[in-house]
Amino acid sequence: QVQLQESGPGLVKPSQTLSLTCTVTGGSIFNDGHYWSWIRQHPGKGLEWIGFIYYSGTTEYNPPLESRVTISVDMSKNQFFLNVRSVTAADTAVYYCARGREQQPSDYFDYWGQGKLVTVSS
Amino acid sequence: DIVMTQSPDSLAVSLGERATIICKSSQSVLYSPNNKNYLAWYQQKPGQPPKLLISWASTRESGVPDRFSGSGSGTDFTLTISSLQAEDVAVYFCQQYYSTPLTFGQGTRLEIK
Repeated sequence: QVQLQESGPGLVKPSQTLSLTCTVTGGSIFNDGHYWSWIRQHPGKGLEWIGFIYYSGTTEYNPPLESRVTISVDMSKNQFFLNVRSVTAADTAVYYCARGREQQPSDYFDYWGQGKLVTVSS
Repeated sequence: DIVMTQSPDSLAVSLGERATIICKSSQSVLYSPNNKNYLAWYQQKPGQPPKLLISWASTRESGVPDRFSGSGSGTDFTLTISSLQAEDVAVYFCQQYYSTPLTFGQGTRLEIK
């Protein structure tokens, strides 16, 4: 059974960098051929796809966030990471990591982490 | 970007009655070469991540009760719960995976009347 778990600081100061880790268990980022995404949900709002990474290091980001976001992977630890630079209060959200089911860049998500609430505040 | 619009924003249905949620995409998510609609539905309960219910517009995920069904093609889709149960109270989202950026509907909150 694949499981994903987000970790990282729950409070980030404005203008700093938000950094989260997604640890994958029960499956391999390297072997599975899936695309691994970050998705966020502003309080009481809908879902916003941030971007994905493939084990090869290929990434794609949502254009409105592209200039501030980096997704990376450490296959030795079976983890992938999210960095969001120059955060503001508008980046306050629950951040989810998720796995794409069909092993294609444009995909739907079958496994999700429990989510990590990140608040941007001084 | 493909904009996904759901209606209604909220819905109250009596136990045992039918609930219908609409999702419209700003452009077709039907891929002609394989005749598949790149549309998924999720259920989200408070404090939990979204749970995949349906993919390819109408393929129910294993373990999802058969009272949940998806239909539609092109730009117009429907999620139907045939007989509402108390545990179905949740927010429901549609998502297109026809192209990136991947986009979701704004969500429909389903409550018991």
